[in-house]
Amino acid sequence: EDQVTQSPEALRLQEGESSSLNCSYTVSGLRGLFWYRQDPGKGPEFLFTLYSAGEEKEKERLKATLTKKESFLHITAPKPEDSATYLCAVRTRDNYGQNFVFGPGTRLSVLP
Amino acid sequence: NAGVTQTPKFRVLKTGQSMTLLCAQDMNHEYMYWYRQDPGMGLRLIHYSVGEGTTAKGEVPDGYNVSRLKKQNFLLGLESAAPSQTSVYFCASTNGGAKIYEQYFGPGTRLTVT
Repeated sequence: EDQVTQSPEALRLQEGESSSLNCSYTVSGLRGLFWYRQDPGKGPEFLFTLYSAGEEKEKERLKATLTKKESFLHITAPKPEDSATYLCAVRTRDNYGQNFVFGPGTRLSVLP
Repeated sequence: NAGVTQTPKFRVLKTGQSMTLLCAQDMNHEYMYWYRQDPGMGLRLIHYSVGEGTTAKGEVPDGYNVSRLKKQNFLLGLESAAPSQTSVYFCASTNGGAKIYEQYFGPGTRLTVT
């Protein structure tokens, strides 16, 4: 069974305190790993797609990396506006490649 | 562009009632999806469509039906609502090409079944 887990469940950081969020996956045939940001009461907003081990993507203070079993979302010098829930998802080969499995998310709070 | 819109934003149903959620996208995307989001469980795929006139089951399809009569619209129906269907429902769309499978989500519909 395809599974995605995320840790920690919640993380509180001081402004400027860098850290990493983890996404571990067990899937039959990875066809992409995705990171989304979700603000309270809103739909997820796309951040990154990673397709192969060793791949890295960056956007402002965020950097996503991928290995064969997990992905990390590194947050450098976070600001309060980075507070949100960060979701990880994988696309698998099931359902003609239309199967997306989401993790439960990490709730990030950045305190000023 | 409005992106992905969902109607209604909130709804309260009694057990056994029926309703339809509407999702519309103006990005000419081929693929559309319906998810539900429950606390601590992440988003779960209900049904999806790979093009106008097509639909297929996702991970949790029981109790739901869908239709895609027009490319821009994807409807999610509950024929006989149950309390277990209390959730937040999100619609998403995506297209092929360079940004294949980057999903754009709507703002969600919060459904309560009493």
